[in-house]
Amino acid sequence: GAGVSQTPSNKVTEKGKYVELRCDPISGHTALYWYRQSLGQGPEFLIYFQGTGAADDSGLPNDRFFAVRPEGSVSTLKIQRTERGDSAVYLCASSWGAGKETQYFGPGTRLLVL
Amino acid sequence: QQQVKQSPQSLIVQKGGISIINCAYENTAFDYFPWYQQFPGKGPALLIAIRPDVSEKKEGRFTISFNKSAKQFSLHIMDSQPGDSATYFCAVTSGTYKYIFGTGTRLKVLA
Repeated sequence: GAGVSQTPSNKVTEKGKYVELRCDPISGHTALYWYRQSLGQGPEFLIYFQGTGAADDSGLPNDRFFAVRPEGSVSTLKIQRTERGDSAVYLCASSWGAGKETQYFGPGTRLLVL
Repeated sequence: QQQVKQSPQSLIVQKGGISIINCAYENTAFDYFPWYQQFPGKGPALLIAIRPDVSEKKEGRFTISFNKSAKQFSLHIMDSQPGDSATYFCAVTSGTYKYIFGTGTRLKVLA
């Protein structure tokens, strides 16, 4: 079956612009996660959705970051007024449920802010 | 404060050799310890995971050794192959969805 997909695979934008990153989880997975991976580092948790609601957004670095999952499937990570420090790979993962269920990762979106 | 420390940062192993990557943690509440493998341009993929009620888990050429008292766990790759060349991340979690990842180990297996 299809895995987690993310679009675009690469995004180049200018400082101050708005970007949206999309995640299509594995069909039937109710839990969805966003992580950010900086160069040479492990993924860092950003936000977790159970169904349509954001159950934990404690990892979002500031209020320029926002994510939605309106129908409990596809999710969009939105970044306003992008800064050069936002450049990273944004990973999406999904799982059947929360807790210690295996998280399946997508290939990521590589965001470069010039 | 780094909650999980991974070493070494990079590792070069001859084909057929044993690759060993170590992780140490502080919080005794962690109770799930997965290892992820990541190839360039790809997302991390679960390799093997262990819970603290066992000291070792083996799946094919991959083994996790877990030392609860020392708060350490390690990944052993037996008979390492060039196709194993990737970055490996350990992770910890305390019964929640929030994985905390190590900083990664870049493994290169020489042919």
